[in-house]
Amino acid sequence: EVQLLESGGGLVEPGGSLRLSCAASGFTFNSYAMSWVRQAPGKGLEWVSSISGSGVDTYYTDSVKGRFTISRDNPKNTLYLRMNSLRAEDTAVYFCAKDLAAAGTQFDHWGQGTLVTVSS
Amino acid sequence: EIVLTQSPGTLSLSPGERATLSCRASQRVISAYLAWYQQKPGQAPRLLIYGASDRATGIPDRFIGSGSGTDFTLTISRLEPEDFAVYYCQQSGSSPMCSFGQGTKLEIK
Repeated sequence: EVQLLESGGGLVEPGGSLRLSCAASGFTFNSYAMSWVRQAPGKGLEWVSSISGSGVDTYYTDSVKGRFTISRDNPKNTLYLRMNSLRAEDTAVYFCAKDLAAAGTQFDHWGQGTLVTVSS
Repeated sequence: EIVLTQSPGTLSLSPGERATLSCRASQRVISAYLAWYQQKPGQAPRLLIYGASDRATGIPDRFIGSGSGTDFTLTISRLEPEDFAVYYCQQSGSSPMCSFGQGTKLEIK
């Protein structure tokens, strides 16, 4: 059974930093691209970042480029999101998601999410 | 950037009725790259349809995806009580960058 378990969320002041983790199990982790998707309170889903199975290729939405860094540790089956220079508009539940590995990017498994609140 | 617009914003129906949800793209979307998700309050999204019309593992056959080009539809043939939720369409291209529609809330009438 595929399981994704996020951790690392919390309350941080504007300009601060946070690192999210996503522990994966139940599949061959290094064979799948992984992503972070966020959801601001009461709002819709927003794709944040993706990383290839090898970790070589990374992609970001424009609003987080230069501030967030996605990475993965394949031997540890763990996905990360390092978030710097956090802003109030980064407040959201952050989900990690596994790629279906069909055409394009489609997410067949999601974690339960971790809440990041950026506030003074 | 491709923008997805879902309609209606809210759909009020009764169990047993048929639901038709629309997703319109600002540019042509390759059907293989179009997905639908269901999200219930306090839960993570769940993949329903990928490739515009293929049901994900374990998804009942009352969920039907269709469409091509810029217009896509999710049909729920006979609503069950557990189907009342928010539904999102999502598109991607050859790169992992993707976008979601703003969602359609399906509520009990």
